[in-house]
Amino acid sequence: KQEVTQIPAALSVPEGENLVLNCSFTDSAIYNLQWFRQDPGKGLTSLLLIQSSQREQTSGRLNASLDKSSGRSTLYIAASQPGDSATYLCAGGTSGNTPLVFGKGTRLSVIA
Amino acid sequence: GAVVSQHPSWVICKSGTSVKIECRSLDFQATTMFWYRQFPKQSLMLMATSNEGSKATYEQGVEKDKFLINHASLTLSTLTVTSAHPEDSSFYICSASMVDRASQFFGPGTRLTVL
Repeated sequence: KQEVTQIPAALSVPEGENLVLNCSFTDSAIYNLQWFRQDPGKGLTSLLLIQSSQREQTSGRLNASLDKSSGRSTLYIAASQPGDSATYLCAGGTSGNTPLVFGKGTRLSVIA
Repeated sequence: GAVVSQHPSWVICKSGTSVKIECRSLDFQATTMFWYRQFPKQSLMLMATSNEGSKATYEQGVEKDKFLINHASLTLSTLTVTSAHPEDSSFYICSASMVDRASQFFGPGTRLTVL
């Protein structure tokens, strides 16, 4: 059964700093891995989706990587801004029609 | 494209009442819909998987008679929380997937508060 772990649970950085959020998963037969952002009391915003055949995806200041052999994914945020403050969740799926398994998230605070 | 809506966005009810939450795929047909719930400061946990026209599959520990799921069409799934109690207060989120797509599309969530 897939298990997803995120480290650290919380992170506080000064504005402008580059940072990396970590996600690990136990089942390397992962079909895709998604990174989401969740603001307090709100739903999920999909940030990046990496399919199993891909190694990374980029969107603006965000870059996500996937290493199936080591069971790890990272989300890199460049030049962090206070508006980036939120909880970041990673989730893995074994196919397009199976449910996602979520990590517990990393709560990011970017201090101005 | 690929928009999923949920209604209502929030609901407050008295203990013992039933609450229905709708999940709709607005611009695509969803072969499968998933229902998750999220307790405060926790991550999303899968409750059940529903496929159009068939009975939902519930995760261990989720009472199927308490959380009734109906997926009567390819664009609508409903979750009914029967005889709700304060411990059912949570954030309920649905997602929908379609054939041949790698990702799921999430609704905005419904916050249920049971007094």
